[in-house]
Amino acid sequence: AQSVAQPEDQVNVAEGNPLTVKCTYSVSGNPYLFWYVQYPNRGLQFLLKYITGDNLVKGSYGFEAEFNKSQTSFHLKKPSALVSDSALYFCAVRDIGSSGSARQLTFGSGTQLTVLP
Amino acid sequence: DTAVSQTPKYLVTQMGNDKSIKCEQNLGHDTMYWYKQDSKKFLKIMFSYNNKELIINETVPNRFSPKSPDKAHLNLHINSLELGDSAVYFCASSQGTGGYLLATGELFFGEGSRLTVL
Repeated sequence: AQSVAQPEDQVNVAEGNPLTVKCTYSVSGNPYLFWYVQYPNRGLQFLLKYITGDNLVKGSYGFEAEFNKSQTSFHLKKPSALVSDSALYFCAVRDIGSSGSARQLTFGSGTQLTVLP
Repeated sequence: DTAVSQTPKYLVTQMGNDKSIKCEQNLGHDTMYWYKQDSKKFLKIMFSYNNKELIINETVPNRFSPKSPDKAHLNLHINSLELGDSAVYFCASSQGTGGYLLATGELFFGEGSRLTVL
């Protein structure tokens, strides 16, 4: 069964500092990994995804994520945090089952990022 | 234009009532979903509807029934509402119906429908 772990419920960082939101995953097939952001009282918005190729993927709002196959991780990063980055961040994984059908997208429990001015 | 729209945004009702939430997407996507987000912000897939095939999550009570009149719409009907049904329900859509396209396509979410059962 596929699973996603976000070990930190809360991450606090000062504005201007680099930020990292951690994610590890477990799948049986090739992992397809996603990050989403949720602002208060809003739906989830797609930030970036890893499908194949370069391990460093760049996404919206200056975010990037690094795929590490040996550590089964896909941490979200940003070089310089903004107060407006404060939100709930979800990591998600999907793979393809032995029948060739896509399994359902599985979300982590979410990490609340707070950027302090 | 809103890509994925849900109505109503807020729904307050009594236990035992029946209610529906509507969802429409104008992205031309082939697959639509319903997710439930509980008070701790956990997201759980409830249903996905893919090329006329409904995939049911076995943990969803049969009081919940999705209905898709066409591929742009996926409505959620809930019978005999219970207190534990209180949550935010999100509709989403994605491109593709096959294995690889479906697995690698990102989801587009609606703004959510907050259901409160009293």
